[in-house]
Amino acid sequence: GAVVSQHPSRVICKSGTSVKIECRSLDFQATTMFWYRQFPKQSLMLMATSNEGSKATYEQGVEKDKFLINHASLTLSTLTVTSAHPEDSSFYICSAKRQANTGELFFGEGSRLTVL
Amino acid sequence: AQSVSQHNHHVILSEAASLELGCNYSYGGTVNLFWYVQYPGQHLQLLLKYFSGDPLVKGIKGFEAEFIKSKFSFNLRKPSVQWSDTAEYFCAVNPNQAGTALIFGKGTTLSVSS
Repeated sequence: GAVVSQHPSRVICKSGTSVKIECRSLDFQATTMFWYRQFPKQSLMLMATSNEGSKATYEQGVEKDKFLINHASLTLSTLTVTSAHPEDSSFYICSAKRQANTGELFFGEGSRLTVL
Repeated sequence: AQSVSQHNHHVILSEAASLELGCNYSYGGTVNLFWYVQYPGQHLQLLLKYFSGDPLVKGIKGFEAEFIKSKFSFNLRKPSVQWSDTAEYFCAVNPNQAGTALIFGKGTTLSVSS
């Protein structure tokens, strides 16, 4: 299957700082990438849809100025959590859809963010 | 709004017991259906998927799921679970449109005792 890699897998930062998480499709081109957030014991909540070369589409309730998403190439999307606060601590997961695929997503390993 | 419901939050079974995890969705159009599994400490992996054709879908590790259109259901089954099946299971739905994200259920935690 297709491989999606996320980096870093774990990050701890101080409140007020910014953190960037990368999501790469290693063996396929992903025109669309999705960023999800997973709270403990809960499901994955879609944050935004990222299309290569265009602005991301954010879900209702997700602050676009706080969660900056960039999809500069067909293999890389980044999520930057700006001015992080403890309530931003969570598990962030990216996923990518292959160009020729109708629906299946391939997921990264996830990034655990802890804001102190 | 589109939603996916997983009926069981936590299922506890002994090895060799049979498993059925319920999943219902509310979207009325054509959908693609998925079951993903997340083993402890690992990322989400696809168990099986349904796009069209035979409503009984067979996936990896002995899992299968049946799509019943009239019931808007896509239940996951396994005849005999193993300790290694202990994981979180997510049902997901994708409206059959290009570029749309998956909508996930809340997940079911399966604990299998040996």
